Amino acid sequence: KAGVTQTPRYLIKTRGQQVTLSCSPISGHRSVSWYQQTPGQGLQFLFEYFSETQRNKGNFPGRFSGRQFSNSRSEMNVSTLELGDSALYLCASTGGTGQSPLHFGNGTRLTVT
Amino acid sequence: AQSVTQLGSHVSVSEGALVLLRCNYSSSVPPYLFWYVQYPNQGLQLLLKYTSAATLVKGINGFEAEFKKSETSFHLTKPSAHMSDAAEYFCAVSEGGATNKLIFGTGTLLAVQP
Repeated sequence: KAGVTQTPRYLIKTRGQQVTLSCSPISGHRSVSWYQQTPGQGLQFLFEYFSETQRNKGNFPGRFSGRQFSNSRSEMNVSTLELGDSALYLCASTGGTGQSPLHFGNGTRLTVT
Repeated sequence: AQSVTQLGSHVSVSEGALVLLRCNYSSSVPPYLFWYVQYPNQGLQLLLKYTSAATLVKGINGFEAEFKKSETSFHLTKPSAHMSDAAEYFCAVSEGGATNKLIFGTGTLLAVQP
């Protein structure tokens, strides 16, 4: 089975621009979550989608948004980029709830200049 | 609210020595606990999970962890460190309910000296 695939692996953007990151979950997994990883804040939960509906949301500004398609693929969008948005963005999928482990992709490294 | 605390942001051991990475949790419900490992420029890989079955959980690569409710701990151990174990290790607790949200500790960077 193919793992979680995130594209692109690396992105460089300028302040004020917007960016869209993509995630393809493991086949059959209907839950997709997004995390932001930075040296200062560690791993922080952004949001979770299940069957095209946002099921949970972290404490991030409205500039961060996401969506999930009928094939479970997910995208996250960050508008009006700030320098502090530079981070590794990780996507994870799972086929269950709670006790089912998350399967992570290799992430998208976003650099905002 | 659930939380995890990892004591020691950096741990250094010699090759062949015992690895002990500490994790304490706080949870208002019986917790689901996880250990993940992250190698440079990669995502997180599941090492093991505790879901209230056995208190001693065996994972991949020779790692294991023991759930101790009285100490609210879930420490990760490996009897003999290998150079390939050098990585960052994260303890996490599930928020619970109808969600897959994980709350992560701040991570422990493990260095293995030859």
